[in-house]
Amino acid sequence: DAMVIQNPRYQVTQFGKPVTLSCSQTLNHNVMYWYQQKSSQAPKLLFHYYDKDFNNEADTPDNFQSRRPNTSFCFLDIRSPGLGDAAMYLCATSRDNTYEQYFGPGTRLTVT
Amino acid sequence: QQQVKQSPQSLIVQKGGIPIINCAYENTAFDYFPWYQQFPGKGPALLIAIRPDVSEKKEGRFTISFNKSAKQFSLHIMDSQPGDSATYFCKAGGNNRLAFGKGNQVVVIP
Repeated sequence: DAMVIQNPRYQVTQFGKPVTLSCSQTLNHNVMYWYQQKSSQAPKLLFHYYDKDFNNEADTPDNFQSRRPNTSFCFLDIRSPGLGDAAMYLCATSRDNTYEQYFGPGTRLTVT
Repeated sequence: QQQVKQSPQSLIVQKGGIPIINCAYENTAFDYFPWYQQFPGKGPALLIAIRPDVSEKKEGRFTISFNKSAKQFSLHIMDSQPGDSATYFCKAGGNNRLAFGKGNQVVVIP
């Protein structure tokens, strides 16, 4: 039944050590999003893919990158995690620009 | 730049009460207004959504009221239950933009 799947659910990485978070979806939606959510805050959009087109938010640090090898999968790469990057990372999907987003359960990232 | 303002920040009600959360938006190009419910440690889940062609929409115990001229919309939780205790986010979409409100923590006391 899972529609948007995120792995792992919990990730611990060391300061400066690259980490990759993954997202997969069974909805066949053409738009995939990555959000960062810190405690008691709204999700903050990092970037999204519309089909194969990558759309970066203006204030997303270069430290964050993304890859989408096919419709179903999308990855978030953090090249050199800092302590301030500890957060919940949420993947979401939607069909075209309907704005009706479906979120995954998130990956909780801890940076030590 | 926050394009959607959500209030109040937190709300505590007794079981059976009707918590009301309000959102105000600025961009008149927005034409899709959903509410999301988020439990601790989980991703947000779409609860209910409205478009500007109607002023009210009900789904179960959840109702959205929409005031286009005031650029405001609100969520009402009828007959609230302790299981409704969560964080609620409003969002506005349109013109290739999506904007989340800051969230509202609702606590329903048994």
